[in-house]
Amino acid sequence: RKEVEQDPGPFNVPEGATVAFNCTYSNSASQSFFWYRQDCRKEPKLLMSVYSSGNEDGRFTAQLNRASQYISLLIRDSKLSDSATYLCVVNPFSSGSARQLTFGSGTQLTVLP
Amino acid sequence: DAMVIQNPRYQVTQFGKPVTLSCSQTLNHNVMYWYQQKSSQAPKLLFHYYDKDFNNEADTPDNFQSRRPNTSFCFLDIRSPGLGDAAMYLCATSRATSLGQGVEKLFFGSGTQLSVL
Repeated sequence: RKEVEQDPGPFNVPEGATVAFNCTYSNSASQSFFWYRQDCRKEPKLLMSVYSSGNEDGRFTAQLNRASQYISLLIRDSKLSDSATYLCVVNPFSSGSARQLTFGSGTQLTVLP
Repeated sequence: DAMVIQNPRYQVTQFGKPVTLSCSQTLNHNVMYWYQQKSSQAPKLLFHYYDKDFNNEADTPDNFQSRRPNTSFCFLDIRSPGLGDAAMYLCATSRATSLGQGVEKLFFGSGTQLSVL
């Protein structure tokens, strides 16, 4: 089982739609969780951290479910500029790896006009 | 305002010809990473430095080496590039507050796209 798993998509949604991505992680001791966004042939950029209580940043909402070991990202009112690959990132925080973040393979989103 | 700078943006090398990719940072972060990313795949950690301490991933081929002469600079050396080493190489930095604590977010450079002919 992969440490971090995501549905690769692609998700093709019309402008204005709401779309949600899930990501599961295997290490129950994981401490930190993030969503990164990566445009084609560009570097990943931090979209938002994911906190235990859930957090919101404009049209983006991230949630953490420790019991089921998944995190989610909800995008409301999708814009064309939201088209990108969304990477789920987990700090497994096991011995010797506290400084290493584990990336999922990413979920591709295309927002259509 | 670039905080993590990678050079060059594109690198073409020949099969078996050594190549060096460079990364510099102005953030004074104590951790620097090298990731390899192939098309439609997750970034794969090759190694990282915590200050001067080098940490190699178990599955990183010996063909890949790294140097960190000071806090600001880190280099990736590929001794004998093969066709399978063609990829985007991403340098990233972060700040780890202590040995036992995890890092927060990563700051990535814009990457070096390596082609092997």
